[in-house]
Amino acid sequence: GDSVTQMEGPVTLSEEAFLTINCTYTATGYPSLFWYVQYPGEGLQLLLKATKADDKGSNKGFEATYRKETTSFHLEKGSVQVSDSAVYFCALSLLTGGGNKLTFGTGTQLKVEL
Amino acid sequence: EAQVTQNPRYLITVTGKKLTVTCSQNMNHEYMSWYRQDPGLGLRQIYYSMNVEVTDKGDVPEGYKVSRKEKRNFPLILESPSPNQTSLYFCASSQGWTAYNSPLHFGNGTRLTVT
Repeated sequence: GDSVTQMEGPVTLSEEAFLTINCTYTATGYPSLFWYVQYPGEGLQLLLKATKADDKGSNKGFEATYRKETTSFHLEKGSVQVSDSAVYFCALSLLTGGGNKLTFGTGTQLKVEL
Repeated sequence: EAQVTQNPRYLITVTGKKLTVTCSQNMNHEYMSWYRQDPGLGLRQIYYSMNVEVTDKGDVPEGYKVSRKEKRNFPLILESPSPNQTSLYFCASSQGWTAYNSPLHFGNGTRLTVT
């Protein structure tokens, strides 16, 4: 079945450090890919998305490029802030009879310290 | 303000006592869905609805029921809760049925504990 694999957390970084969170996927079709962020006590929010190979999604300084050849969608940010501390979920979606269904990874917790 | 509202935020109950978690959205969205979040498993879809009176099972529907009598509401019903349903539950909605052009909006979650 379709699945998403993310790197284990937590990831602890100092402020202004470079961030990479790895994400790879397995899908029977040609998925759209997403990163969602969950701040403490809140629901998930869409951070960025990409719908076809070589697309780059970007938002709030975060970027991820859809790499079909490596089935990956790694999240990067050049300089993290304390306010970026959250749980990050990679997800995929395929056009199926199930409508707007997302298949999520297990999430990666990011902690940014001063 | 556009939002998905779930109630309650926290719920502790005992095995077998029926409960309902409510979900309401004010965006006139057609699509609504329930997910549960468990450590090490991410989020898994329980049920979804593509419109009023149209519901279908997700990946983990056992032990749950839903209804969609009105467009804005999509309650999750646990007829006889069991401890393995202890989890964090999220309701989500979107205007359309395809994720790539219709992002899901999530509620703030309901943390359920079944003893």
